[in-house]
Amino acid sequence: AQRVTQPEKLLSVFKGAPVELKCNYSYSGSPELFWYVQYSRQRLQLLLRHISRESIKGFTADLNKGETSFHLKKPFAQEEDSAMYYCALAAQGGSEKLVFGKGTKLTVNP
Amino acid sequence: GAGVSQTPSNKVTEKGKYVELRCDPISGHTALYWYRQSLGQGPEFLIYFQGTGAADDSGLPNDRFFAVRPEGSVSTLKIQRTERGDSAVYLCASSLRGGWSSNEQFFGPGTRLTVL
Repeated sequence: AQRVTQPEKLLSVFKGAPVELKCNYSYSGSPELFWYVQYSRQRLQLLLRHISRESIKGFTADLNKGETSFHLKKPFAQEEDSAMYYCALAAQGGSEKLVFGKGTKLTVNP
Repeated sequence: GAGVSQTPSNKVTEKGKYVELRCDPISGHTALYWYRQSLGQGPEFLIYFQGTGAADDSGLPNDRFFAVRPEGSVSTLKIQRTERGDSAVYLCASSLRGGWSSNEQFFGPGTRLTVL
């Protein structure tokens, strides 16, 4: 079974500080990993996906298959980064569904 | 262009009633997904359509839940004999086509269902 774990329900940092949102997954095959973000009163939207290897809004995430992790990082947090962040997994081989973690609420304080 | 839209935005019903939730995907998107998000949880997959057919309905919790997409565009999620435990935000998403390495899923704003 596929499972995504986000151990931190809440994370609070100060503006300019580094931030890391943790994500661990459980899947026997080769997954595709995503980070979705939901800003206040907005809809869920894709932030980044591991296959594209992009840096979006200063965020990066590296897939570590040995540790089955896909942590989201940003060196200098901004107040506008405050949001709910969800890590999600899609299984290879025709399964279309996304399996989401429970989410981490990030608050960046001024 | 317009994103995924869902109606109604809020629905309050009584236990035992029937409800229908509607999703309008982005024009041209062949893949459509329904998810359910309970309080404090991440979205949970319910069903996936590729065109008119349900390609994966493994997430539907029981036979009270049913979804259709008769013309390959708009989809309706139907819940019979609603229970208080059905209260949640129901999310719809669409993508250009299905496939694990495919395009981004675009989410709608959700329908908040409250069963009294």
